[in-house]
Amino acid sequence: DGGITQSPKYLFRKEGQNVTLSCEQNLNHDAMYWYRQDPGQGLRLIYYSQIVNDFQKGDIAEGYSVSREKKESFPLTVTSAQKNPTAFYLCASTSEDSSYNQPQHFGDGTRLSIL
Amino acid sequence: AQTVTQSQPEMSVQEAETVTLSCTYDTSESDYYLFWYKQPPSRQMILVIRQEAYKQQNATENRFSVNFQKAAKSFSLKISDSQLGDAAMYFCAYQLYNNDMRFGAGTRLTVKP
Repeated sequence: DGGITQSPKYLFRKEGQNVTLSCEQNLNHDAMYWYRQDPGQGLRLIYYSQIVNDFQKGDIAEGYSVSREKKESFPLTVTSAQKNPTAFYLCASTSEDSSYNQPQHFGDGTRLSIL
Repeated sequence: AQTVTQSQPEMSVQEAETVTLSCTYDTSESDYYLFWYKQPPSRQMILVIRQEAYKQQNATENRFSVNFQKAAKSFSLKISDSQLGDAAMYFCAYQLYNNDMRFGAGTRLTVKP
């Protein structure tokens, strides 16, 4: 079955450490997204990518970095510059064909905590 | 800034009754899509319904329907015959032609038996 796989499900970060969250999709979708969700809050856009080797900052990109070397993969790195990384992270994708009218497909999320 | 506002952090409805969740948004674009997503305790995001901004007719999907008022930038969700399984966080969102997508802060819906 096609879908989006996020790993790991739970991740712990030490102070000053970079960590990378994985997001892989086999839906042949062109556009991919990373969102952050804090307790009791909505989703805030970190980065999104419409095609390979291209990505745009969202509302809260500071302290995060991404790459899009392959269509299927859109990893998110939480750098040590992100001072409050504890949150639930959701990856999503959507088809490029008339894609703004297509709903996003979401992964199951990664919960990141600071040790 | 382009934003989505859900003014009701929490709502409650009796089973089998009807409830309406509010959403307003602000964008300078004229062409966009609007969505309602449901997030149960499992944290999975599930599409409930979507509306094309250029269409006057309100979208419906079984027990779910929307009241779309483009001039007022309002996009409310009506849930009829509420069921226990409808209990979840509900997020309103819009998506622009460039794939930029924004979400509201959510409304937590409780369904009382």
